[in-house]
Amino acid sequence: NAGVTQTPKFRILKIGQSMTLQCTQDMNHNYMYWYRQDPGMGLKLIYYSVGAGITDKGEVPNGYNVSRSTTEDFPLRLELAAPSQTSVYFCASSYSPGNTGELFFGEGSRLTVL
Amino acid sequence: QQQVKQSPQSLIVQKGGISIINCAYENTAFDYFPWYQQFPGKGPALLIAIRPDVSEKKEGRFTISFNKSAKQFSLHIMDSQPGDSATYFCAARRQGGKLIFGQGTELSVKP
Repeated sequence: NAGVTQTPKFRILKIGQSMTLQCTQDMNHNYMYWYRQDPGMGLKLIYYSVGAGITDKGEVPNGYNVSRSTTEDFPLRLELAAPSQTSVYFCASSYSPGNTGELFFGEGSRLTVL
Repeated sequence: QQQVKQSPQSLIVQKGGISIINCAYENTAFDYFPWYQQFPGKGPALLIAIRPDVSEKKEGRFTISFNKSAKQFSLHIMDSQPGDSATYFCAARRQGGKLIFGQGTELSVKP
């Protein structure tokens, strides 16, 4: 049972570089999310998707892009990395927001922008 | 705009004591209030949750108390154990499924 898998676990970027954080889930969940976690700030929603081909902005989308070509994969793209994007990024998925709507999280990707 | 406010930011409790974490929300359209537990180096995981038509929910040593009129809810951990040391997040769900998280509470239970 892999659940939600994120890669890479750690990455250091220089200002202005770009990269993609990968996320894949094997639970056939329709809903997928990207959050960032900063000390004392909790988890902030960056983007989410309700199914393949459908994405929408969350609370803090600036500087990021996503795509959802398959049910399993939901990559997060950082363009022109800035120090403010130093954070821990979590991908999550859920079967449906109804009922418990439990989110299943990956183990996170720690990104440092220098 | 912080729609879910959580306190305290950090908490130290002796083994066997009661840990209490509080959250307040602003949006009355929220329909579900979960608590997530996160251990170092791991992603958050659902601990316990409550709906606004219930005033209390208990699962083992963990209890959620919910006060709809005050727009507040809290997590009580009875007989706290060192293994409970983790970061706890309250959250509120908007219609459509998006969770809004509180700022988190880092709990340390001393032996």
